[in-house]
Amino acid sequence: SAVISQKPSRDICQRGTSLTIQCQVDSQVTMMFWYRQQPGQSLTLIATANQGSEATYESGFVIDKFPISRPNLTFSTLTVSNLSPEDSSIYLCSVETYRGGNEQFFGPGTRLTVL
Amino acid sequence: DQQVKQNSPSLSVQEGRISILNCDYTNSMFDYFLWYKKYPAEGPTFLISISSIKDKNEDGRFTVFLNKSAKHLSLHIVPSQPGDSAVYFCAARVLWDDKIIFGKGTRLHILP
Repeated sequence: SAVISQKPSRDICQRGTSLTIQCQVDSQVTMMFWYRQQPGQSLTLIATANQGSEATYESGFVIDKFPISRPNLTFSTLTVSNLSPEDSSIYLCSVETYRGGNEQFFGPGTRLTVL
Repeated sequence: DQQVKQNSPSLSVQEGRISILNCDYTNSMFDYFLWYKKYPAEGPTFLISISSIKDKNEDGRFTVFLNKSAKHLSLHIVPSQPGDSAVYFCAARVLWDDKIIFGKGTRLHILP
């Protein structure tokens, strides 16, 4: 299995500011994913972050709003820029491993509240 | 367009009885289905999966059934235990695509 930690676990931010979320994995993984879970909604994929290449964004998500870094195989950051109350959500980092079959592991999530 | 649907936002089951969580999907290209369990303030954890070539997969107290013709799957938990109280997400993927599509989740309450 993969152990994933996220920082911060929660934050309250003012409108117009930005928040950078860090994701650290205890092993090297090729594929890392960033998800969002808005209140009452399902987990929605924001982007896929592969080391050494640009992140791939899903429909409805753009790099200017959600810049992602992936400097190595164990770490990634997601920044949520120009915050508005609609960005209030839980943001989760996830990785996929192929040891003994495809398995996906999630971090504990970062709860963001935008005032 | 919601491709994975969990129509029951919550479910209450007596401890010791069977819990049945349902999930419907619309995309016929899905060929792998997963269930995740999520406790508050934690990320989802993988519970059980099933390939589209099977109609049943069992792991201890958890069994997933797949009805491809109805595009329906269900998770059975028997016997239900207090620690099973959590939100359960149904998810699906296309084998050649790494993306997983999640349902909205069903909150399961196990009653004493």
